[in-house]
Amino acid sequence: DQQVKQNSPSLSVQEGRISILNCDYTNSMFDYFLWYKKYPAEGPTFLISISSIKDKNEDGRFTVFLNKSAKHLSLHIVPSQPGDSAVYFCAASPANNDMRFGAGTRLTVKP
Amino acid sequence: EPEVTQTPSHQVTQMGQEVILRCVPISNHLYFYWYRQILGQKVEFLVSFYNNEISEKSEIFDDQFSVERPDGSNFTLKIRSTKLEDSAMYFCASSLSGANVLTFGAGSRLTVL
Repeated sequence: DQQVKQNSPSLSVQEGRISILNCDYTNSMFDYFLWYKKYPAEGPTFLISISSIKDKNEDGRFTVFLNKSAKHLSLHIVPSQPGDSAVYFCAASPANNDMRFGAGTRLTVKP
Repeated sequence: EPEVTQTPSHQVTQMGQEVILRCVPISNHLYFYWYRQILGQKVEFLVSFYNNEISEKSEIFDDQFSVERPDGSNFTLKIRSTKLEDSAMYFCASSLSGANVLTFGAGSRLTVL
Protein backbone atom coordinates (compact mmCIF):
# COMPACT_ATOMS: atom_id res chain seq x y z
CA ASP A 1 0.00 0.00 0.00
CA GLN A 2 2.62 2.49 -1.15
CA GLN A 3 0.31 5.41 -1.80
CA VAL A 4 2.83 7.93 -0.56
CA LYS A 5 6.45 7.45 -1.49
CA GLN A 6 9.60 9.12 -0.33
CA ASN A 7 12.28 7.54 -2.43
CA SER A 8 15.26 9.09 -0.69
CA PRO A 9 15.83 7.56 2.74
CA SER A 10 18.45 10.16 3.60
CA LEU A 11 19.74 13.57 2.60
CA SER A 12 22.78 15.46 3.79
CA VAL A 13 23.28 19.19 3.22
CA GLN A 14 25.59 21.89 4.44
CA GLU A 15 24.34 24.51 6.86
CA GLY A 16 23.04 27.54 5.00
CA ARG A 17 22.25 25.62 1.84
CA ILE A 18 18.85 24.56 0.56
CA SER A 19 17.36 21.20 1.54
CA ILE A 20 14.86 19.71 -0.89
CA LEU A 21 12.82 16.73 0.22
CA ASN A 22 10.65 14.99 -2.32
CA CYS A 23 7.44 13.01 -2.12
CA ASP A 24 5.29 11.25 -4.72
CA TYR A 25 1.76 9.96 -4.34
CA THR A 26 -0.47 7.69 -6.36
CA ASN A 27 -3.97 8.32 -5.05
CA SER A 28 -5.70 11.07 -7.03
CA MET A 29 -8.26 11.39 -4.21
CA PHE A 30 -5.69 12.97 -1.93
CA ASP A 31 -6.48 16.64 -1.52
CA TYR A 32 -4.48 17.67 1.50
CA PHE A 33 -0.76 17.22 1.93
CA LEU A 34 1.38 17.69 4.98
CA TRP A 35 4.95 17.47 6.12
CA TYR A 36 5.77 16.23 9.59
CA LYS A 37 9.13 16.39 11.29
CA LYS A 38 10.25 13.76 13.76
CA TYR A 39 13.10 13.86 16.22
CA PRO A 40 14.34 10.65 17.89
CA ALA A 41 12.15 9.47 20.79
CA GLU A 42 9.42 11.95 19.91
CA GLY A 43 6.21 11.74 17.91
CA PRO A 44 5.92 13.44 14.52
CA THR A 45 5.14 17.15 14.71
CA PHE A 46 3.27 19.07 12.07
CA LEU A 47 5.45 21.33 9.97
CA ILE A 48 3.56 22.68 6.97
CA SER A 49 0.64 21.76 4.76
CA ILE A 50 -0.86 22.49 1.39
CA SER A 51 -4.27 21.84 -0.09
CA SER A 52 -4.77 20.67 -3.63
CA ILE A 53 -6.14 24.05 -4.73
CA LYS A 54 -2.72 25.62 -4.25
CA ASP A 55 0.67 24.89 -5.72
CA LYS A 56 2.81 26.62 -3.13
CA ASN A 57 2.68 27.41 0.55
CA GLU A 58 5.39 29.22 2.42
CA ASP A 59 6.08 29.54 6.13
CA GLY A 60 9.32 31.18 7.03
CA ARG A 61 12.21 29.00 5.90
CA PHE A 62 9.85 26.23 4.79
CA THR A 63 8.07 26.10 1.45
CA VAL A 64 6.00 23.25 0.11
CA PHE A 65 5.39 22.91 -3.61
CA LEU A 66 2.64 20.77 -5.11
CA ASN A 67 2.58 19.54 -8.70
CA LYS A 68 -0.79 17.83 -9.07
CA SER A 69 -0.28 16.67 -12.62
CA ALA A 70 2.91 14.87 -11.60
CA LYS A 71 1.47 13.82 -8.22
CA HIS A 72 4.58 15.21 -6.62
CA LEU A 73 5.29 17.50 -3.75
CA SER A 74 8.47 18.82 -2.27
CA LEU A 75 9.60 20.60 0.85
CA HIS A 76 12.26 23.26 0.58
CA ILE A 77 14.14 24.45 3.62
CA VAL A 78 16.31 27.48 3.12
CA PRO A 79 18.63 28.23 4.70
CA SER A 80 19.08 24.85 6.35
CA GLN A 81 20.16 24.81 9.98
CA PRO A 82 21.68 22.01 12.09
CA GLY A 83 18.48 21.98 14.20
CA ASP A 84 16.58 20.95 11.10
CA SER A 85 18.27 17.55 11.27
CA ALA A 86 15.39 15.10 11.72
CA VAL A 87 13.28 12.61 9.83
CA TYR A 88 10.73 14.30 7.58
CA PHE A 89 7.52 12.50 6.72
CA CYS A 90 5.31 13.43 3.83
CA ALA A 91 1.64 12.68 4.47
CA ALA A 92 -1.49 12.90 2.38
CA SER A 93 -5.16 12.45 2.94
CA PRO A 94 -8.50 12.70 1.24
CA ALA A 95 -11.30 14.46 3.10
CA ASN A 96 -11.96 11.53 5.44
CA ASN A 97 -8.79 12.01 7.51
CA ASP A 98 -7.28 8.63 6.67
CA MET A 99 -3.80 10.05 6.44
CA ARG A 100 -1.10 8.05 4.70
CA PHE A 101 2.53 8.58 5.47
CA GLY A 102 5.63 8.14 3.39
CA ALA A 103 8.57 6.17 4.69
CA GLY A 104 10.42 9.30 5.74
CA THR A 105 13.65 11.00 4.73
CA ARG A 106 16.39 11.52 7.28
CA LEU A 107 17.85 15.01 6.84
CA THR A 108 21.26 15.77 8.24
CA VAL A 109 22.41 19.38 8.18
CA LYS A 110 26.14 19.65 8.72
CA PRO A 111 27.59 22.72 10.42
CA GLU B 1 1.00 24.04 24.76
CA PRO B 2 -1.53 21.17 24.84
CA GLU B 3 -0.05 17.79 24.15
CA VAL B 4 -1.03 14.19 23.59
CA THR B 5 0.37 11.95 26.31
CA GLN B 6 1.01 8.23 25.98
CA THR B 7 1.74 5.55 28.53
CA PRO B 8 3.74 3.45 28.93
CA SER B 9 6.73 4.82 27.09
CA HIS B 10 8.11 1.30 26.75
CA GLN B 11 6.50 -2.08 27.36
CA VAL B 12 8.10 -5.48 27.05
CA THR B 13 5.76 -8.45 26.83
CA GLN B 14 5.77 -12.12 26.01
CA MET B 15 4.23 -13.35 22.77
CA GLY B 16 0.57 -14.18 23.25
CA GLN B 17 0.02 -11.72 26.08
CA GLU B 18 -2.51 -8.91 25.96
CA VAL B 19 -1.24 -5.35 25.88
CA ILE B 20 -3.07 -2.08 26.43
CA LEU B 21 -1.50 1.15 25.29
CA ARG B 22 -2.98 4.31 26.72
CA CYS B 23 -3.33 7.77 25.31
CA VAL B 24 -4.75 11.02 26.62
CA PRO B 25 -5.62 13.16 23.61
CA ILE B 26 -5.87 16.93 23.69
CA SER B 27 -9.01 17.69 25.66
CA ASN B 28 -11.07 19.50 23.02
CA HIS B 29 -10.08 17.23 20.14
CA LEU B 30 -12.72 15.05 18.57
CA TYR B 31 -10.78 12.74 16.24
CA PHE B 32 -8.38 10.12 17.53
CA TYR B 33 -5.88 7.92 15.76
CA TRP B 34 -3.36 5.19 16.26
CA TYR B 35 -0.33 4.81 14.02
CA ARG B 36 2.65 2.53 14.34
CA GLN B 37 6.20 2.50 13.11
CA ILE B 38 8.14 -0.72 12.96
CA LEU B 39 11.83 -0.01 13.48
CA GLY B 40 13.36 1.35 10.29
CA GLN B 41 10.07 1.37 8.42
CA LYS B 42 7.43 3.92 7.60
CA VAL B 43 4.69 5.29 9.84
CA GLU B 44 1.56 3.20 9.22
CA PHE B 45 -2.05 4.12 9.83
CA LEU B 46 -3.94 1.72 12.09
CA VAL B 47 -7.27 3.25 12.99
CA SER B 48 -9.22 6.47 13.36
CA PHE B 49 -11.99 7.04 15.89
CA TYR B 50 -14.71 9.65 15.98
CA ASN B 51 -17.96 9.99 17.85
CA ASN B 52 -17.25 6.85 19.89
CA GLU B 53 -16.79 4.59 16.95
CA ILE B 54 -14.16 3.52 14.49
CA SER B 55 -14.36 5.65 11.36
CA GLU B 56 -11.51 4.09 9.38
CA LYS B 57 -9.15 1.18 9.87
CA SER B 58 -6.33 -0.29 7.86
CA GLU B 59 -5.69 -3.89 6.90
CA ILE B 60 -3.19 -4.06 9.76
CA PHE B 61 -5.97 -3.45 12.28
CA ASP B 62 -7.30 -7.00 12.41
CA ASP B 63 -9.37 -8.78 15.07
CA GLN B 64 -6.42 -8.80 17.45
CA PHE B 65 -6.69 -5.02 17.79
CA SER B 66 -9.36 -2.96 19.45
CA VAL B 67 -9.73 0.64 20.54
CA GLU B 68 -11.80 2.18 23.26
CA ARG B 69 -12.52 5.54 24.78
CA PRO B 70 -13.58 4.28 28.20
CA ASP B 71 -14.02 7.49 30.15
CA GLY B 72 -14.10 10.51 27.86
CA SER B 73 -10.43 11.34 28.32
CA ASN B 74 -8.43 8.18 27.64
CA PHE B 75 -8.12 6.50 24.27
CA THR B 76 -6.71 2.98 24.43
CA LEU B 77 -5.32 0.49 21.94
CA LYS B 78 -5.57 -3.15 22.97
CA ILE B 79 -3.70 -5.98 21.32
CA ARG B 80 -5.32 -9.21 22.45
CA SER B 81 -2.61 -11.75 21.75
CA THR B 82 0.65 -10.13 20.79
CA LYS B 83 2.89 -11.48 18.05
CA LEU B 84 6.57 -10.85 17.46
CA GLU B 85 5.72 -8.67 14.48
CA ASP B 86 3.68 -6.35 16.70
CA SER B 87 6.93 -4.97 18.05
CA ALA B 88 6.88 -1.32 17.03
CA MET B 89 6.51 2.23 18.20
CA TYR B 90 2.83 3.04 18.54
CA PHE B 91 1.78 6.66 18.15
CA CYS B 92 -1.49 8.10 19.28
CA ALA B 93 -2.71 11.29 17.64
CA SER B 94 -5.69 13.57 17.88
CA SER B 95 -7.16 16.40 15.86
CA LEU B 96 -9.80 19.00 16.50
CA SER B 97 -11.76 18.46 13.35
CA GLY B 98 -11.47 17.46 9.73
CA ALA B 99 -8.69 20.00 9.33
CA ASN B 100 -6.36 17.01 9.13
CA VAL B 101 -3.53 18.43 11.23
CA LEU B 102 -2.79 15.76 13.78
CA THR B 103 -1.01 16.25 17.06
CA PHE B 104 1.02 13.19 17.94
CA GLY B 105 2.08 11.78 21.24
CA ALA B 106 5.68 10.76 21.92
CA GLY B 107 4.88 7.11 21.28
CA SER B 108 4.84 3.85 23.19
CA ARG B 109 7.50 1.35 22.27
CA LEU B 110 6.21 -2.22 22.37
CA THR B 111 8.70 -5.07 22.40
CA VAL B 112 7.27 -8.57 22.02
CA LEU B 113 9.62 -11.40 23.00
